[in-house]
Amino acid sequence: KQEVTQIPAALSVPEGENLVLNCSFTDSAIYNLQWFRQDPGKGLTSLLLIQSSQREQTSGRLNASLDKSSGRSTLYIAASQPGDSATYLCAVPSDKLIFGTGTRLQVFP
Amino acid sequence: NAGVTQTPKFQVLKTGQSMTLQCAQDMNHEYMSWYRQDPGMGLRLIHYSVGAGITDQGEVPNGYNVSRSTTEDFPLRLLSAAPSQTSVYFCASSSFLADTQYFGPGTRLTVL
Repeated sequence: KQEVTQIPAALSVPEGENLVLNCSFTDSAIYNLQWFRQDPGKGLTSLLLIQSSQREQTSGRLNASLDKSSGRSTLYIAASQPGDSATYLCAVPSDKLIFGTGTRLQVFP
Repeated sequence: NAGVTQTPKFQVLKTGQSMTLQCAQDMNHEYMSWYRQDPGMGLRLIHYSVGAGITDQGEVPNGYNVSRSTTEDFPLRLLSAAPSQTSVYFCASSSFLADTQYFGPGTRLTVL
């Protein structure tokens, strides 16, 4: 049974820092992996979808990497800003979408 | 494109009442799903649909009913509301399960 975990659970950093959020999955036979952000009181917004054949995917200041063999994905946020404050979730498709436990990020000025 | 829309945004019900949460998408997506999100429980799948006329149960289907008569709409019905159904409900759509998922803004439901 696929299980997805994220560390850390919470992170508080000053503006400008480069960040790494981690996502681990137990079954390496994944089709792809998605990263989402969720702002308080809002729905999820898809940030990046990285296919199983890809090693990296980039969008602006965000870079997601995928290492299937080790069951890990990282989301790198460059030059963090207060507007990046949100909860970040990773998810992998199985018989349904399996979501990670989430990382709550706070970036303070 | 409006994306995924949900109505209402907020709703308060009394125990035993019924209601329908509306979800619509204008992206011609085949796959649609309903989740509930509770503190400390993450997102849990209630029902999903892989196309018009096809629905199936997720992890927590009891007390909820769905139908999919068109590609665009996927309403969620609460048959007899219970306080345990107090939650935030999200609808999502995609071309297929493993494709990019688009979420609606959510409906915050309180059952007294």
